[in-house]
Amino acid sequence: QKEVEQNSGPLSVPEGAIASLNCTYSDRGSQSFFWYRQYSGKSPELIMFIYSNGDKEDGRFTAQLNKASQYVSLLIRDSQPSDSATYLCAVKNYGQNFVFGPGTRLSVLP
Amino acid sequence: SAVISQKPSRDICQRGTSLTIQCQVDSQVTMMFWYRQQPGQSLTLIATANQGSEATYESGFVIDKFPISRPNLTFSTLTVSNMSPEDSSIYLCSVEGWETGTQYFGPGTRLTVL
Repeated sequence: QKEVEQNSGPLSVPEGAIASLNCTYSDRGSQSFFWYRQYSGKSPELIMFIYSNGDKEDGRFTAQLNKASQYVSLLIRDSQPSDSATYLCAVKNYGQNFVFGPGTRLSVLP
Repeated sequence: SAVISQKPSRDICQRGTSLTIQCQVDSQVTMMFWYRQQPGQSLTLIATANQGSEATYESGFVIDKFPISRPNLTFSTLTVSNMSPEDSSIYLCSVEGWETGTQYFGPGTRLTVL
């Protein structure tokens, strides 16, 4: 069974710090990797996707992928209280459905 | 990304009744999906709604309980049948963006079964 694992948290960081969110996956054939943010009571919204090993930056967000270690992470620089949410990691293999992790709850403290 | 709407946004239903949730997309899409998110949990895929053919259900979900329609490339419905309190959940539809393979979610339907 294909699995995606994340620390459930809550992960607490002070405002302005770097938040590091981690995700591991079991399907070595996975090709696409996604990070979603979900505010309480809202639906998930896409933050970033990454396909290749290495780093991908978008504003304050950086996704890091290491396929050999089956590991993907999301860094949030200069964390703001508005970043407080649950972050979902999702993994996809070609022609197959998304597999979502359980999510990590992030709390950014003012 | 596609604009997705769902109706109703929330409902409170009695045990044994059925509720049909509608999902409308502002552009034609090949793949539409229905998820369930129980309180404090992650997303669980119920089924993939295929236009012109029967939906493809995931393990643990059956057509009699969750019948799905997909009459065209912009619309789908999910019915939750013979509801019990265990069906209380958020139901989300999503579509797959063909350019990036990402999934975009509708706002969700919050269902409470008494």
